[in-house]
Amino acid sequence: KAGVTQTPRYLIKTRGQQVTLSCSPISGHRSVSWYQQTPGQGLQFLFEYFSETQRNKGNFPGRFSGRQFSNSRSEMNVSTLELGDSALYLCASSLGAGAKEELFFGEGSRLTVL
Amino acid sequence: AQSVTQLDSHVSVSEGTPVLLRCNYSSSYSPSLFWYVQHPNKGLQLLLKYTSAATLVKGINGFEAEFKKSETSFHLTKPSAHMSDAAEYFCVVSGRGTGRRALTFGSGTRLQVQP
Repeated sequence: KAGVTQTPRYLIKTRGQQVTLSCSPISGHRSVSWYQQTPGQGLQFLFEYFSETQRNKGNFPGRFSGRQFSNSRSEMNVSTLELGDSALYLCASSLGAGAKEELFFGEGSRLTVL
Repeated sequence: AQSVTQLDSHVSVSEGTPVLLRCNYSSSYSPSLFWYVQHPNKGLQLLLKYTSAATLVKGINGFEAEFKKSETSFHLTKPSAHMSDAAEYFCVVSGRGTGRRALTFGSGTRLQVQP
């Protein structure tokens, strides 16, 4: 069974640009969540989608957005990039959105903003 | 509301000696607790989870953790460290606030294993 796949793995952008990251969950998983990981702030929750609906959102500005498609694949978009957006963006999937369910993580997309 | 505190940002042990990574939590609900491991430039992998069944939970690679409600702790242990255990470890509390899953990650503990 293929794991969670994130693309691209590495990317470099400049301030003011926008970026779209993609996440393909494990087959059959309907929940996808996104996290930002930085050395200073650690792992921070961005948002969670279940069956194409955003169920929960972290404390990030509106420049950060996401969506989920009918095949459960998800994308997140960051507009008007800032230097502080440089981070490892992790996607995780689970069968459902229950509190007891294990998350399966992708290897992340490392974004560098110059 | 919920929170999780990993008491040590760095832990260094010698190969073959025991490992103890400490985690305290607080939660308004009956939480589920997880330990994840992250190797460099990789995603997180589940080590073990507590979901209100047995309080002593065994995970992969010889790790185990004990849920102690009275102490609000969920410490991770391993009897004998291996070089391949060097990684960052995250304690995670999961509850259902306002009907939605709410995950809170600890700040992480970096484990170094000396030869």
